[in-house]
Amino acid sequence: GENVEQHPSTLSVQEGDSAVIKCTYSDSASNYFPWYKQELGKGPQLIIDIRSNVGEKKDQRIAVTLNKTAKHFSLHITETQPEDSAVYFCAASIRGTYKYIFGTGTRLKVLA
Amino acid sequence: KAGVTQTPRYLIKTRGQQVTLSCSPISGHRSVSWYQQTPGQGLQFLFEYFSETQRNKGNFPGRFSGRQFSNSRSEMNVSTLELGDSALYLCASSSGLAGAPDEQFFGPGTRLTVL
Repeated sequence: GENVEQHPSTLSVQEGDSAVIKCTYSDSASNYFPWYKQELGKGPQLIIDIRSNVGEKKDQRIAVTLNKTAKHFSLHITETQPEDSAVYFCAASIRGTYKYIFGTGTRLKVLA
Repeated sequence: KAGVTQTPRYLIKTRGQQVTLSCSPISGHRSVSWYQQTPGQGLQFLFEYFSETQRNKGNFPGRFSGRQFSNSRSEMNVSTLELGDSALYLCASSSGLAGAPDEQFFGPGTRLTVL
């Protein structure tokens, strides 16, 4: 069945360092890959997304890369700041549907 | 533009009762999806509605149901509540355009506690 694996489950980095979170999806028909940031007491907020016809996308300090052959995609945050501390979720959408499968989340802690 | 709103924000129910949660999507959005979020299972897809029709469904028992109204507002109902239904229920809206999944915007969620 459809599945998205996300690693690591927790990640601690020093302020200013980079953070990388990786996800692997199982269904080769997946064609849309969003990343969400969830802060305590709030719903997930979309921070960046990528479609299957693109290999990389960048938005200021955040970038996402996609390797369709290996079926994995990664979130890269550079120059981390304390306000980046949150839980991050990756997701994959099955082509032709509005069904999204989420990873299990990564708790990122940025240490000042 | 107002975001996704969910009501109520918190609910406490007892086993066997039923509950109805409400979601108002972003103006102009026609697709509403529901998710259950628990510490152990993460975010799990319940169902998605578009133009008052259920278009996609996850792997949840029939006790979980939903509907969508002509103004795109959606409700989710859980009957015969079980302790394991305690969770944060999230609603997400998107344009719902056919042929291409697009950005989903989440509401703050409804925290349901079943005693």
